[in-house]
Amino acid sequence: SYELTQPRSVSVSPGQTARITCSGDGLSRKHAYWYQQKTRQAPVLVIYEATERPSGIPERFSGSTSGTMATLTISGAQVEDEADYSCYSTDSSGNHWVFGGGTRLTVL
Amino acid sequence: QVQLQESGPGLVKPSETLSLTCSVSNYSISSGYYWGWIRQPPEKGLEWIGSIYHSGTTYHNPSFKSRVTMSVDTSKNHLSLMLRSVTAADTAVYYCARAAYSFGDGYYFDFWGQGTLVTVSS
Repeated sequence: SYELTQPRSVSVSPGQTARITCSGDGLSRKHAYWYQQKTRQAPVLVIYEATERPSGIPERFSGSTSGTMATLTISGAQVEDEADYSCYSTDSSGNHWVFGGGTRLTVL
Repeated sequence: QVQLQESGPGLVKPSETLSLTCSVSNYSISSGYYWGWIRQPPEKGLEWIGSIYHSGTTYHNPSFKSRVTMSVDTSKNHLSLMLRSVTAADTAVYYCARAAYSFGDGYYFDFWGQGTLVTVSS
């Protein structure tokens, strides 16, 4: 089955750049999507099609892909960005929709 | 913008069937889009369960396929999930979400409900 792998945690100080990675064989062919989930809240889409930001998402959030690894970058992370971040993609057939295991971002 | 709201029993006994409804507002299900169910066990990641189109066409996570039934009621503008033979491992927050289409990528979730916690316990 198709899997997406993320680090369990990332920590940065306020103002630093946070980078969260997501690896999966299919990411060289399909884009990654990124969701932010704050405590006891529903996920919110912060990046789609690997690099695009939905309306209302701050410019400090950006996405990129290199080979089979996608990266969510938060430039100048703020305390309010502390949350779980999950990547998402589909397998080559499009039949299996997969989330990464999630990364807890601590901004402290 | 589209709004989704999950509802259903918060407590289900082991071996019984979990039944949830997702009511959709500000958008007619019959107008298009796939609609998905995702769950999140306590302290764990998101897990896709399956997705359904208003015509009834479905995609399933193979891990659930034999236990899951999804349906759509366009007259009530809601979707339903049934998960049979539940165990404690099915304890989770269950979300419904709208699945948008991206050419080349397939489907992804753009709008989510707030989720509902279902506990499986006797």
